[in-house]
Amino acid sequence: EAGVTQFPSHSVIEKGQTVTLRCDPISGHDNLYWYRRVMGKEIKFLLHFVKESKQDESGMPNNRFLAERTGGTYSTLKVQPAELEDSGVYFCASSQEWRPNTGELFFGEGSRLTVL
Amino acid sequence: LAKTTQPISMDSYEGQEVNITCSHNNIATNDYITWYQQFPSQGPRFIIQGYKTKVTNEVASLFIPADRKSSTLSLPRVSLSDTAVYYCLVGDGLEYGNKLVFGAGTILRVKS
Repeated sequence: EAGVTQFPSHSVIEKGQTVTLRCDPISGHDNLYWYRRVMGKEIKFLLHFVKESKQDESGMPNNRFLAERTGGTYSTLKVQPAELEDSGVYFCASSQEWRPNTGELFFGEGSRLTVL
Repeated sequence: LAKTTQPISMDSYEGQEVNITCSHNNIATNDYITWYQQFPSQGPRFIIQGYKTKVTNEVASLFIPADRKSSTLSLPRVSLSDTAVYYCLVGDGLEYGNKLVFGAGTILRVKS
């Protein structure tokens, strides 16, 4: 069974540009989460999808970040325009709908974003 | 969400048992205790979860005292490949769509 896959693994852009990160969750997982770790800080929750609906987006830092999950399958996280402080590693995770609260999220390897 | 406190780092040698203790004094009745492991350049990976007493799986054991204000992750006979960051997380396991709150974690270094 394929795990959570993220693309790109590393992206280097200049301040003011746009970047779109993609996450493909494990097939059948209705819950999809985005987390990020900025340099020197802890991993922080960004938002949570249940199928195509945003269940909780309380962790989104500002309106430069836009997450979508079309059709309840893969998800994209767009940063527009990117700022220096957006640099970090963005993790996607998924979990099965029928047992959403076991604490077991399956994480991807992350997308490293570097804003110059 | 309950805050957790764990040692910043620990050193061990191959073949030893490693115990990492996490303090969570404000744990709530509905909270579960979950441990994740993270290797460099990878996402966190679930290790074990428990609510009370002891839980054991093929990777680790989790000891939780009666007051649940702390927990101890036990890794038997560690190897070099167990060098990683270990996170203790506490959260409500009954809310739909749980979200995890990661602390700084414990850096475990296993030496030969």
